Amino acid sequence: SQQGEEDPQALSIQEGENATMNCSYKTSINNLQWYRQNSGRGLVHLILIRSNEREKHSGRLRVTLDTSKKSSSLLITASRAADTASYFCATGDFFSGGYNKLIFGAGTRLAVHP
Amino acid sequence: DVKVTQSSRYLVKRTGEKVFLECVQDMDHENMFWYRQDPGLGLRLIYFSYDVKMKEKGDIPEGYSVSREKKERFSLILESASTNQTSMYLCASSRGPGTSGRAGGNEQFFGPGTRLTVL
Repeated sequence: SQQGEEDPQALSIQEGENATMNCSYKTSINNLQWYRQNSGRGLVHLILIRSNEREKHSGRLRVTLDTSKKSSSLLITASRAADTASYFCATGDFFSGGYNKLIFGAGTRLAVHP
Repeated sequence: DVKVTQSSRYLVKRTGEKVFLECVQDMDHENMFWYRQDPGLGLRLIYFSYDVKMKEKGDIPEGYSVSREKKERFSLILESASTNQTSMYLCASSRGPGTSGRAGGNEQFFGPGTRLTVL
């Protein structure tokens, strides 16, 4: 079952512009993570934000989390052509036995044009 | 450099064949996962394992089985491949909760994926 839903499904911008992607989820979470997937490849972890955090930065990435609205956003500043990829949010939840399962959304396809 | 490897990048099989997809991780992770990825559907969890010889069904286990005989290796088996199993298959691993019991989904490390076509 999908928990996270990304918005928009696709985003097309010019190099140097900022890209914002949003993620909504349904249940209580312990953390929320963002991953990037280059075409036809595996996913790469970008950033993790815990439920008691509101904002986190990593290089050109800025993630916010609003647990009252069950939503998160990923901002990529000063985008580059190399940022062209699909971006997924994933929510971490604790369930029986402590197995660290993540639930992924369907992703946002970002295209950055030179 | 930590790594998750998958046995094949591309695989073409015929309907009814038994198919084995292998995944190996070198990070001594407790958890291993198999996902399939289809356009518009994101990643869907097939099976996961939290320890050697242990396995749990994910969201779409039908038509699949798994094996984890060693900590570093997690195999996905398609007992009798069908055309609707044509997909990208992704393996991932992550640390377990550990003795602290820290909950909530650790970072997952992914392999490069196997694109399986069933004819």
